[in-house]
Amino acid sequence: NAGVTQTPKFRVLKTGQSMTLLCAQDMNHEYMYWYRQDPGMGLRLIHYSVGEGTTAKGEVPDGYNVSRLKKQNFLLGLESAAPSQTSVYFCASRPLGQGADEQYFGPGTRLTVT
Amino acid sequence: GEDVEQSLFLSVREGDSSVINCTYTDSSSTYLYWYKQEPGAGLQLLTYIFSNMDMKQDQRLTVLLNKKDKHLSLRIADTQTGDSAIYFCAERTGANNLFFGTGTRLTVIP
Repeated sequence: NAGVTQTPKFRVLKTGQSMTLLCAQDMNHEYMYWYRQDPGMGLRLIHYSVGEGTTAKGEVPDGYNVSRLKKQNFLLGLESAAPSQTSVYFCASRPLGQGADEQYFGPGTRLTVT
Repeated sequence: GEDVEQSLFLSVREGDSSVINCTYTDSSSTYLYWYKQEPGAGLQLLTYIFSNMDMKQDQRLTVLLNKKDKHLSLRIADTQTGDSAIYFCAERTGANNLFFGTGTRLTVIP
């Protein structure tokens, strides 16, 4: 199993450009998440999905959109990038169930908006 | 979001014990977690504790939870250079509500 993979690993955008980050998991997990990580701050939840075709807002959703057309993929879109969106973006997934339910993280995408 | 706080840096000598502390604010937490992040990598779950437990031990790792003071700690015994990383505590308050602390950068001095 590859686990959780993210594409691309790095990207530089100009203000106003758009892009889509792809997250893929091969563990048949129901839940998927997008976080951003900024210096001196913990991870903050942008959007999440509890299953194919469903999405929900997290703590910091403004400026982002997501789609979960297939169970294994969770896309994060920036329609008009801003310098404040310079960050490291992490995707995570977890199975449906009770208990501690560990989230499995991808390696991250480092995005710079100039 | 919830307020989860950690000190930013900790340095220890190889072979000593490391203690990383975390405080949180939400008394309805169900689980509390410790994640490790190595350079250029995603977060990896180290251990977790259910909120009705006081202590959990897993090989070199000991987690202590003081629910009254909302204080969580991670002790790493016999710290090795491979333990150098950023450690995040996180509290879970609902099915999809996982709040992370700022992370503590642990540096192990050979």
